[in-house]
Amino acid sequence: GENVEQHPSTLSVQEGDSAVIKCTYSDSASNYFPWYKQELGKRPQLIIDIRSNVGEKKDQRIAVTLNKTAKHFSLHITETQPEDSAVYFCAAVDSWGKLQFGAGTQVVVTP
Amino acid sequence: NAGVTQTPKFRVLKTGQSMTLLCAQDMNHEYMYWYRQDPGMGLRLIHYSVGEGTTAKGEVPDGYNVSRLKKQNFLLGLESAAPSQTSVYFCASSYQGLSYEQYFGPGTRLTVT
Repeated sequence: GENVEQHPSTLSVQEGDSAVIKCTYSDSASNYFPWYKQELGKRPQLIIDIRSNVGEKKDQRIAVTLNKTAKHFSLHITETQPEDSAVYFCAAVDSWGKLQFGAGTQVVVTP
Repeated sequence: NAGVTQTPKFRVLKTGQSMTLLCAQDMNHEYMYWYRQDPGMGLRLIHYSVGEGTTAKGEVPDGYNVSRLKKQNFLLGLESAAPSQTSVYFCASSYQGLSYEQYFGPGTRLTVT
């Protein structure tokens, strides 16, 4: 089955700086890679996703890149703001149709 | 629209007791899921359903049962609770399959003593 590894587990950034979270996956047939944001005590919510036929996708200050050859994908947050503080989860859907989540990255944006 | 709702929000059980968690969605979604979330381990799929009357096992199904008698409801049962089942449980739904956005409920915090 799919194995998704996520790094780093915690990330502290100064407000206005960029944050990058990286994930690797094992199943070369994986074709869908969503990112979820979970604020403290709240439910996970989708912030961006990418499919295997696309190399990069942007939505305002958030972007995701996918390298199928290396089997890794990354979340980039630019001009970070305090409201970006949360836990971010990457995930991948494998060839069996199962969604496997990474362990999460705690992002702390300090003023 | 309420989206995805879960009841109860909190519950404390003694080892060996049973309980049912209820998930309801009003978005007419075909797919529904139950996850558990433990510190440092992300979200792990327990069971899921691809439509009314269907269920399937996920990554960590042992100790849990599910039923989907109505399209809008997905029930998660613990027949004999164990301390290892202490966790936060999230229900989710999606219009299509796992390769599409999942909408999560607010979660149920379960403690088994």
